[in-house]
Amino acid sequence: GENVEQHPSTLSVQEGDSAVIKCTYSDSASNYFPWYKQELGKRPQLIIDIRSNVGEKKDQRIAVTLNKTAKHFSLHITETQPEDSAVYFCAASVDNYGQNFVFGPGTRLSVLP
Amino acid sequence: ETGVTQTPRHLVMGMTNKKSLKCEQHLGHNAMYWYKQSAKKPLELMFVYNFKEQTENNSVPSRFSPECPNSSHLFLHLHTLQPEDSALYLCASSQDSRRRGRLAKNIQYFGAGTRLSVL
Repeated sequence: GENVEQHPSTLSVQEGDSAVIKCTYSDSASNYFPWYKQELGKRPQLIIDIRSNVGEKKDQRIAVTLNKTAKHFSLHITETQPEDSAVYFCAASVDNYGQNFVFGPGTRLSVLP
Repeated sequence: ETGVTQTPRHLVMGMTNKKSLKCEQHLGHNAMYWYKQSAKKPLELMFVYNFKEQTENNSVPSRFSPECPNSSHLFLHLHTLQPEDSALYLCASSQDSRRRGRLAKNIQYFGAGTRLSVL
């Protein structure tokens, strides 16, 4: 079955710096890759996603890149702010309808003022 | 609020108890999910329901029994749980694009979860 790894497990950056979180997946058939943000004590919320037919997607300070050949995808956050502090989860969808998600273990991002 | 409500928010139960978790979505979605979130482990998909039909059961022990009476409500019935079942149980919903027969983009909206402690 699909296996999703995520690195680093914890990441601390200074406010204003960039943060990069990388995920790798094992199943070459995976075709949809969402990123979820979970603030302390709150529910996971989708922040950005990418399909396998696209290499990069941007939304303001957040971008995701996908390398299908290498089977990895990354989340990039620029100009980090304290409110970006949270746990970030990547996921890979292993079915064609984008329902059966396998999540990575998460990255705890701390943005230091 | 994202339109997915879970009750109760916290639950403490003994190993011999029977309890149920409830999830309700007000988003008009037709797919619902149960996830387990444990400390130091990834989010684990437990069950998927599409149009009230269970379509995924990811090797979940029978002491967890899901029920989906309609597309807005999802239950997780619990009985004879073990201490290692203590976790945050999250419900999610989405609009299943299966019938469109195309590559799907499935935005899942999560509830706030039920924090379960098994003593």
